[in-house]
Amino acid sequence: QLQLQESGPGLVKPSETLSLTCTVSGGSISTSVRYWSWIRQPPGKGLEWIGNIYYTGTAYYKSSLKSRVTISLDTSKNHFSLKMSSVTAADTAVYYCARVNLYSWDIWGQGTMVTVSS
Amino acid sequence: QTVVTQEPSFSVSPGGTVTLTCGLSSGSVSTTYYPSWYQQTPGQAPRTLIYSTNIRSSGVPDRFSGSILGNKAALTITGAQADDESDYYCVLYVGGGIYVFGTGTKVTVL
Repeated sequence: QLQLQESGPGLVKPSETLSLTCTVSGGSISTSVRYWSWIRQPPGKGLEWIGNIYYTGTAYYKSSLKSRVTISLDTSKNHFSLKMSSVTAADTAVYYCARVNLYSWDIWGQGTMVTVSS
Repeated sequence: QTVVTQEPSFSVSPGGTVTLTCGLSSGSVSTTYYPSWYQQTPGQAPRTLIYSTNIRSSGVPDRFSGSILGNKAALTITGAQADDESDYYCVLYVGGGIYVFGTGTKVTVL
């Protein structure tokens, strides 16, 4: 059964780059004809789609985050990653990775909390 | 920028029926937006309830149903139970690889 697990630093300083990885187990990221997503949720607030990456490497981003976000795929490690530059306190959130299936998300990671603070 | 609107909150009695809606700031929601619905309890990852307007995800009870009502997507809970008390989010695919979450609805069962 496919599982997703987020990992990365829980604390990032303002103006630095947030880097997270989502490791896929129980299946191959390169043979799954799927999109893979990053989604976040600030404390006490709603969910926000950040972006998707296709198994070919093509990526799509929320327009307001596009200038700061890069999602990439590493098929050799069976994971995909999120990098968000120039972070501020507004980027403090639980970050989820998820698999896209039929224009929705069918498998979610458990989420990882990232705090932006000096 | 596309804004997807949901009711902030709803209260429903145990055994009652409640319909949550998901609308667009401009325009009508149709099946071509592939509306999906997610349930989230505090501290947990979202759980997928409905995708492609009205298809229940595996293991989701049939008291949850999705539809298009007028110009909005809708999630109906029929025979609400105590453990349905959660936050509910809709998502619309707006094309070009872009997805937008709704603002979320907090459902209280009492």
